Amino acid sequence: ETGVTQTPRHLVMGMTNKKSLKCEQHLGHNAMYWYKQSAKKPLELMFVYNFKEQTENNSVPSRFSPECPNSSHLFLHLHTLQPEDSALYLCASSHPRVSGRGYEQYFGPGTRLTVT
Amino acid sequence: AQKVTQAQTEISVVEKEDVTLDCVYETRDTTYYLFWYKQPPSGELVFLIRRNSFDEQNEISGRYSWNFQKSTSSFNFTITASQVVDSAVYFCALSEGTSGTYKYIFGTGTRLKVLA
Repeated sequence: ETGVTQTPRHLVMGMTNKKSLKCEQHLGHNAMYWYKQSAKKPLELMFVYNFKEQTENNSVPSRFSPECPNSSHLFLHLHTLQPEDSALYLCASSHPRVSGRGYEQYFGPGTRLTVT
Repeated sequence: AQKVTQAQTEISVVEKEDVTLDCVYETRDTTYYLFWYKQPPSGELVFLIRRNSFDEQNEISGRYSWNFQKSTSSFNFTITASQVVDSAVYFCALSEGTSGTYKYIFGTGTRLKVLA
C-alpha cells in the first residue's frame, strides 16, 4: 500500500467511550502530523512528531493523546470527548522540517468522527 | 505572525471558464514556503505545488498555473479551461523557514464549483 492511510474512515462514539485513530505512512517520511478540520474553520494543527519525538502540541485538550511508536505510525487516542470534537481528523507526513528547507505534506483521507 | 488569507469563500464557474483563486500571506521571515492543496469531496488533501520565497518564477503545469508576487505577498492559482473534476476546496498554506518551526498555516480554503 502506498501513501498515507488512516483507519477507521468513520467513527461514531459516545462521550464516555475510548477509541483510537490510526495513521500509517509508506513514504519514508520522518515527520507526522495530526490536524482537525471542522466545518467553516481553518485546518487546525494539533500535534507534530519529528523522528518519533513530539515537537508541537498546539494547546490540545488532554482528552486527545497522541502516540508515535515509530516514524511510520501515528495514533490519536480519544477519551471522554465532547460533541464539539466532532470533525474530520487528518493525518499527514513529510520529510523532517529543518532550517532553510521546507517540504510539502502528504495527507491521508481522514477519519470522520462523530461524538454523540 | 504568520497568516494566510483566502478571501474567496466560494466560487462558481461554468465549465471551460478560467478561474483564479487568490491567496495573500503574512510573514516576518525572509525564508518561507508556500503551498497549494486540493481537497476533493473524498476528503484527502492533495498536494499541488510548493514554492520557496526565493523563487518568484511563475509555474505552469497543464491547465494549472501559479503567480507568486512577493511585492504583494500573494500566491494566486489559476485554472484554465476549468472542468467539473476541478470542483473541490483549494487551500493555500505557508511554512516559515525558522529552525525548529514545524507549523504549516493554512488558509480557510476556497470552494470551487465547476458547473457543466
